[in-house]
Amino acid sequence: AQSVAQPEDQVNVAEGNPLTVKCTYSVSGNPYLFWYVQYPNRGLQFLLKYITGDNLVKGSYGFEAEFNKSQTSFHLKKPSALVSDSALYFCAVRFNQGGKLIFGQGTELSVKP
Amino acid sequence: DTGVSQDPRHKITKRGQNVTFRCDPISEHNRLYWYRQTLGQGPEFLTYFQNEAQLEKSRLLSDRFSAERPKGSFSTLEIQRTEQGDSAMYLCASSYLAGVVETQYFGPGTRLLVL
Repeated sequence: AQSVAQPEDQVNVAEGNPLTVKCTYSVSGNPYLFWYVQYPNRGLQFLLKYITGDNLVKGSYGFEAEFNKSQTSFHLKKPSALVSDSALYFCAVRFNQGGKLIFGQGTELSVKP
Repeated sequence: DTGVSQDPRHKITKRGQNVTFRCDPISEHNRLYWYRQTLGQGPEFLTYFQNEAQLEKSRLLSDRFSAERPKGSFSTLEIQRTEQGDSAMYLCASSYLAGVVETQYFGPGTRLLVL
């Protein structure tokens, strides 16, 4: 079955420290991977995507993600966390056929001053 | 670019009533998606359109749900005979397919509460 997993429900980080939000996927064929962020009572905002090519993808607001095919992972990273980064983060995968995204269950990121 | 808009933002209804939501995509986006998100979960795909054609429907979309996209512009999602289990955030997204993989941009959502 094709799926996405975010193994951590919550990640706590001190402001200024690096952050990592984990995502693993299970898919046959080539995966197309996405990260979105959701603030309270808001829709999802696109951060970045991996289609092909360089395994390190840079996105909005200083975020980046590393695609690792052997570990079937697509972890979201930021070198220095901000309090304003506190939000709900979703990893999603799309497959070759069709356009739908399959989302993970989300990881709540909390950045403390 | 005004973004994806959804109306209403909030809807409270009684069980058994019908409700309709509207989504206006980003101008010239040819794909439009509907997702449902319940508390503590990621969005789940419901259906999507390419222009006016409905290309895929999830098994989550029971016979009480119907979506349309007349003329390939805005879309409506109707739920008939609402049930308490329909309470959720309904998200719309649009994209422009011009290559291998497009990016979906989401609206603010419509939060439905069925009493």
